[in-house]
Amino acid sequence: AQSVTQLDSQVPVFEEAPVELRCNYSSSVSVYLFWYVQYPNQGLQLLLKYLSGSTLVKGINGFEAEFNKSQTSFHLRKPSVHISDTAEYFCAVLSNDYKLSFGAGTTVTVRA
Amino acid sequence: GAGVSQTPSNKVTEKGKYVELRCDPISGHTALYWYRQSLGQGPEFLIYFQGTGAADDSGLPNDRFFAVRPEGSVSTLKIQRTERGDSAVYLCASSLSGGTADTQYFGPGTRLTVL
Repeated sequence: AQSVTQLDSQVPVFEEAPVELRCNYSSSVSVYLFWYVQYPNQGLQLLLKYLSGSTLVKGINGFEAEFNKSQTSFHLRKPSVHISDTAEYFCAVLSNDYKLSFGAGTTVTVRA
Repeated sequence: GAGVSQTPSNKVTEKGKYVELRCDPISGHTALYWYRQSLGQGPEFLIYFQGTGAADDSGLPNDRFFAVRPEGSVSTLKIQRTERGDSAVYLCASSLSGGTADTQYFGPGTRLTVL
């Protein structure tokens, strides 16, 4: 079975500072990885995904993530955060071509 | 265009009652998914529909849970004899055809509270 571990449950960060959210996965087969964001009172929105090819994936709103097979990681980064980036972020792995398995989430709180 | 919609947004019921949760996927999407998100956790897979049929219902916790999609569009998740442990946010998602490259688009969820 595939699983995801998000290493930080809460990440406070100041506005315009960089942020990194850590995600590790376990999988014995080909890996397809995703980051979703959940703003307060909204549904999950896809930030970016890795299916194949370049290990550095760029997503929406200035986010990027790097797939590292040797470390089984898919960490999410943003060089400069805004207040509007306050949200919960979920890392997920796809199995059976359709089943997403999510981590427990990381709450990012951006302070002025 | 319109995204995935779910009704009701909130549902409060009493232990032992029956509830139905509705999902309207994005028009033209043949694949539909239900997930459940308990407090402090990530969403957990419940069931996957391809068209009208349930291709994988391995995530349904027990036989009190059932889901249908009779015309290949709207889906209803049905929970019989609700228990307090069923309290969670139930998320629906749809994608164009299912498969690795498809993006799953999520609705805002239905928050179910069982008293």
